[in-house]
Amino acid sequence: DAGVIQSPRHEVTEMGQEVTLRCKPISGHNSLFWYRQTMMRGLELLIYFNNNVPIDDSGMPEDRFSAKMPNASFSTLKIQPSEPRDSAVYFCASNRDSTGELFFGEGSRLTVL
Amino acid sequence: SQQGEEDPQALSIQEGENATMNCSYKTSINNLQWYRQNSGRGLVHLILIRSNEREKHSGRLRVTLDTSKKSSSLLITASRAADTASYFCARHNTDKLIFGTGTRLQVFP
Repeated sequence: DAGVIQSPRHEVTEMGQEVTLRCKPISGHNSLFWYRQTMMRGLELLIYFNNNVPIDDSGMPEDRFSAKMPNASFSTLKIQPSEPRDSAVYFCASNRDSTGELFFGEGSRLTVL
Repeated sequence: SQQGEEDPQALSIQEGENATMNCSYKTSINNLQWYRQNSGRGLVHLILIRSNEREKHSGRLRVTLDTSKKSSSLLITASRAADTASYFCARHNTDKLIFGTGTRLQVFP
């Protein structure tokens, strides 16, 4: 299995630009999670989906952030407009059963100048 | 805050020594999991312990869970330089996994 695939691995953009991060979960997994990791705040859960439906988006920092899961094999996290404080590593993770172990992608490192 | 407490924040030991990391939490859990993260990489699952279990082993890893004290510990025995990484505990509550702040482990050859 290819594992969870995230793209891009690195993104450098200017403040005000739109950023779209992409994730392909492991085939057969029905839960998908987006996390953000920074030195200051550690790993924060932003949103998670179960069977393509958003279940809890209470971790999404503000309206500039949105996430979608149009089908079982694809999810996006969008930031519009981006700000320097959004600079972080964004991880996507999936699992078959929301109670079990999570499989993480390698992350997308975002730098907003 | 989403995060629990882990200590120590950083730990440096020599190869062959044991490393112990602790994790405390505040809410009830379904299970508690430990993950490892190498620099610049994603997190990798190490071990899961359910709320009705007290101890679990996997190779050189030993995890304990004390639900009365709301704490867990991860012991790595006979450490190797390759064990150098950050280690995170994650508490499973309802449907989601909440991560602690992590312990940075450095193992010197």
